[in-house]
Amino acid sequence: ETGVTQTPRHLVMGMTNKKSLKCEQHLGHNAMYWYKQSAKKPLELMFVYNFKEQTENNSVPSRFSPECPNSSHLFLHLHTLQPEDSALYLCASSQEVVGTTEAFFGQGTRLTVV
Amino acid sequence: QKEVEQNSGPLSVPEGAIASLNCTYSDRVSQSFFWYRQYSGKSPELIMSIYSNGDKEDGRFTAQLNKASQYVSLLIRDSQPSDSATYLCASDANSNSGYALNFGKGTSLLVTP
Repeated sequence: ETGVTQTPRHLVMGMTNKKSLKCEQHLGHNAMYWYKQSAKKPLELMFVYNFKEQTENNSVPSRFSPECPNSSHLFLHLHTLQPEDSALYLCASSQEVVGTTEAFFGQGTRLTVV
Repeated sequence: QKEVEQNSGPLSVPEGAIASLNCTYSDRVSQSFFWYRQYSGKSPELIMSIYSNGDKEDGRFTAQLNKASQYVSLLIRDSQPSDSATYLCASDANSNSGYALNFGKGTSLLVTP
């Protein structure tokens, strides 16, 4: 396994379901991120974890709940989502060193809320 | 609101030509800039990073940074049909975390045979 891996690749869920997205990085990085990518919009930062501590919650609704048990794993728990939450959810990781913030992305989870 | 602006395109260039992609950013304190390539249905792939004013070359790609003008560009020489993708410009977000990125909407590039 190399890089950043996300599962599942595709997910269809009803508005009353609970599901979780998983991300694992094999790069030895100390920071992990969740981004949302919707059509016609820039990538939107959702959450940042630095050394397992959440350092940013970018005004994300509480129906999205992140979890970072260690510096290699990141989860996004989903609960009572809305159809407008359908998007590509991307996990990324980086090594936080002053002066460089190269982030590497996983393959993404294509989420459809019905 | 800190923003990264890109022309959405599509930018169409013939095979073998130079493709020029441009980006402006609003946050004067941004220090790090990145170009990502994203094929349809795939995730963004980092292709270039630049931190200092001037040019940085890597194979067929050249990134250019002008901090005074708050302008970043990406040149692709000898464009190939396989370069057809959306190119995302990003800058460091200078958020509380210090290390997240602000992304533009991306420029769609089409290289025609």
